[in-house]
Amino acid sequence: QLVLTQSPSASASLGTSVRITCTLSSGHSTNAIAWHQQQPEKGPRFLMKLNSDGSHTKGDGIPDRFSGSNSGAEHYLTISNLQSEDEADYYCQTWDIGIRVFGGGTRLTVL
Amino acid sequence: QVQLVQSGAEVKRPGSSVRVSCKASGGTFNTYAVSWVRQAPGQGLEWMGGIIPIFGTSNAARKFQDRVTITTDESASTAYMEMSSLRSDDTAVYYCARDRGYSGYLDQWGQGTLVIVSS
Repeated sequence: QLVLTQSPSASASLGTSVRITCTLSSGHSTNAIAWHQQQPEKGPRFLMKLNSDGSHTKGDGIPDRFSGSNSGAEHYLTISNLQSEDEADYYCQTWDIGIRVFGGGTRLTVL
Repeated sequence: QVQLVQSGAEVKRPGSSVRVSCKASGGTFNTYAVSWVRQAPGQGLEWMGGIIPIFGTSNAARKFQDRVTITTDESASTAYMEMSSLRSDDTAVYYCARDRGYSGYLDQWGQGTLVIVSS
C-alpha cells in the first residue's frame, strides 16, 4: 500500500534552517513526490516536485530558500533563512496509476 | 497564466447532493488532468478522484467511488465534482487542482469551496 509518513510538527527559529521529512512506504522508495505548503487560512500551494534522483522542479515564484533532497525512501524539504511567513503546514504527495496520496502533513512553527 | 476558479460556498442538508465547479480561467486544461482534494476542519488533505478532460475518463478513490461523480465540460473549460448522500462529516473545503496526469503531481490549486452539511 502506498503511504507517506510525516512527523506532525517541527519548529525552528527565525533566520535558521529546518528540514521536514516525508517517508515512502516499503516497495515505493523510488517514487517521486511533491511538496505543498498551506499557510494558515489559505489553500495549498505547490512548492516542488522531487524526483528519486534528487532533481526537482519548482513551482512559479518559489524562493531559492526552499530546496529538496532525498535518501532512499526519505524525501526532505529544507527551508533556509526561515521567515515568519514560512509558518505553515507542509504536505508531501505522491502517486501511482489512478491514485494520488498525501502525507498527514507537518506543521512548522517559526520561533 | 491559467487560474483555477471554483464555485462559491454551499450549505446542504444531510442526504442531499452538491456540485462544485472548477473553471480554467484564462485558458483551458490542455492535456492536464484535474484532481479533487478535500480538507475537513482541522484535518489534512485527502485525494478524492480525478479526470482527464480531453478524454473524459475519470476515477475516484475507493472511499468515494459510490458517492462521487467527476465530469468535465471541455467547451466551458470547467470540471465538476458532484457528491451525493451528503453527511455531516462531508463538511470540508473542496479543492480542485491541476494534475500532471502520468507524472502525478498537483501543480496548481483552485481557491477552495467550503461545503457545510447541516440540518
